[in-house]
Formats: sequence, structure tokens, C-alpha cells
Amino acid sequence: SQQGEEDPQALSIQEGENATMNCSYKTSINNLQWYRQNSGRGLVHLILIRSNEREKHSGRLRVTLDTSKKSSSLLITASRAADTASYFCATDKGGNTDKLIFGTGTRLQVFP
Amino acid sequence: DAGVIQSPRHEVTEMGQEVTLRCKPISGHDYLFWYRQTMMRGLELLIYFNNNVPIDDSGMPEDRFSAKMPNASFSTLKIQPSEPRDSAVYFCASSLAGPLSYEQYFGPGTRLTVT
Repeated sequence: SQQGEEDPQALSIQEGENATMNCSYKTSINNLQWYRQNSGRGLVHLILIRSNEREKHSGRLRVTLDTSKKSSSLLITASRAADTASYFCATDKGGNTDKLIFGTGTRLQVFP
Repeated sequence: DAGVIQSPRHEVTEMGQEVTLRCKPISGHDYLFWYRQTMMRGLELLIYFNNNVPIDDSGMPEDRFSAKMPNASFSTLKIQPSEPRDSAVYFCASSLAGPLSYEQYFGPGTRLTVT
């Protein structure tokens, strides 16, 4: 089964609005990462948040992590049409593992 | 750096044929990952290497799949014989160190269609 599962599966908003995507996972982790995938392209890393961090910002992106609830959220503020993509969370499984497990993804559509 | 390079970008083959996918990781990266992406199963890790050594191949679907990394700048994923259910996009990714601390850089993928 998936370590990370995103919610919602799909999200449609207008330019300028904020987009919030959530990720839940099952086991303890060392860090959680968010990636973006444009249609027909490979994944691109957006941000990494460690298990001892609660919030992290990068430009218009804000990521939160709640290890007690085993969940994370990605907020994109003032969205643009270029933000249209699928967004994935990825986690390790804790311990000394080098494997990333990717979630099912949220498809974001931003209308101009 | 040109990023992770994969070839071919598209491959169409008939069932039973051998397929070889190629990957050149970013220079200096110690880790190389092979993933498969389908609508039904999402993004699945097939195998990964550390310093050219296979570390975990538990995601390889069956014996028809094999992967090699003969040197730090080249890896192959081979499917022999191919089947229609192998149709997917195959990604190669590399990272400077383990994903506990570092992000992975993905190639553009190879879209494989097996008829």
C-alpha cells in the first residue's frame, strides 16, 4: 500500500487563489518531500521538510508537517496557470533506508 | 550539467521483444533510482543503486526485468521478454546522497508501449 496518499485527488481553482494539498502517511519518517510533475515530464523537487521541522517556506510555497497526525500540507499562494501540474509527496520509511515512497498525487488545474 | 539523461524518449515494441532503457545520471551523484509510472499503480520504485551497487531490487516485478550499472555514468533497465502490461513511463533519477537528506533529480522518462 502507499506510504503517502494525497488529498484531494484533483483540484481546480482560478488564478490568484490559493491551493492546498494534503498528504497522509503511515509510518514514522525522517523527512518528507514534495515534488511537481508537469504533463509528460519528470518529477521536479519542490521542498524537503525534516521530521523535527513544523513549517517551511519557499517562495509561494508553504509546507507544514504534523508528525503526531502523520500528515503534511502544501500551500501554493497566489496560484498561476503555470502551477498546473500534479503534486506528489514522498516519504522515507524511517530508520536507515534510502528509499522514497511516493504518494498518489494531486492534480491541480489553475484556470487563467 | 545537462541533468539526468534518458534514452530513448519513446519506445514502441511488440510483445516478446527485448527492450533496453538507458540512463545517464548527474555527474557526482552516488545514487541512481529506476521508477515506473502508470495510471493504475502510480509511481513505483523498481530498483536503486548506491555507488554502482544494487541495493534494493524488491520492486522489480519479475525475472523479466533486470538492471545494471556498469559504471558511475550509465545504467540500463532491460525487459526480456516484454509484455503489454509493461507499458508505462519509466523514470530514472539520481541523487547526491540518500533521500534522507537530499532530493532526487528525475530524467524526462521513457514512454514504453508494448503491443
